[in-house]
Amino acid sequence: EIVLTQSPGTLSLSPGERATLSCRASQSVSSRFLAWYQQKPGQAPRLLIYGASRRATGIPDRFSGSGSETDFTFTISRLEPEDFAVYYCQQYGSSPYTFGQGTRLEIK
Amino acid sequence: EVQLVQSGAEVKKPGESLKISCKGSGYSFSTYWIAWVRQMPGKGLEWLGIIHPGDSDIRYSPSFQGQVTMSVDKSINTAYLQWSSLKTSDTAIYYCARPFGFPGPLEFWGQGTLLTVSS
Repeated sequence: EIVLTQSPGTLSLSPGERATLSCRASQSVSSRFLAWYQQKPGQAPRLLIYGASRRATGIPDRFSGSGSETDFTFTISRLEPEDFAVYYCQQYGSSPYTFGQGTRLEIK
Repeated sequence: EVQLVQSGAEVKKPGESLKISCKGSGYSFSTYWIAWVRQMPGKGLEWLGIIHPGDSDIRYSPSFQGQVTMSVDKSINTAYLQWSSLKTSDTAIYYCARPFGFPGPLEFWGQGTLLTVSS
């Protein structure tokens, strides 16, 4: 089973700032099968990025992803008030398709 | 419009059985896999497994194999997750979700079913 470790656990930033989140895998993630989700309180997760760097339908271009093999990065170029939430990475290249433990992005 | 609509919240006692549902609409239900994801109170997302409605092929996470059972009734576009003997540790929100392709990220999600198991 591939273990995904996200860092930091909590990130405190202000609107307008840049957010950079990390997801490290215990083994190489095949074919860059790495996704990022956003979850707000009381809501189901929402797919933002798949294939490590492809934006899902309707996702603003301030959200981006990069990386390969065991090291992946998710970036929000300029934080909007609605971006403060919990973010999860997930690998879907090797069953079971595990999630990271999440990064909480909070308003500073 | 693709929709996954899950059954409502449940309150059960330890040892009881339960089956929750996830009804798909707006797409060819038999074509796309359905995944189940658990979220314990205040915690992160956990992958339970995935089922293909067309042929009922199932891939369980080893952590949940034997703990839950996945099934489908493609005649009514519905996937199920069931327990034969609930534990208090099963208390969580359970989401169904549909990937686009297999393997694939989870593009569409149900609203979640809150399960509370308490004596």
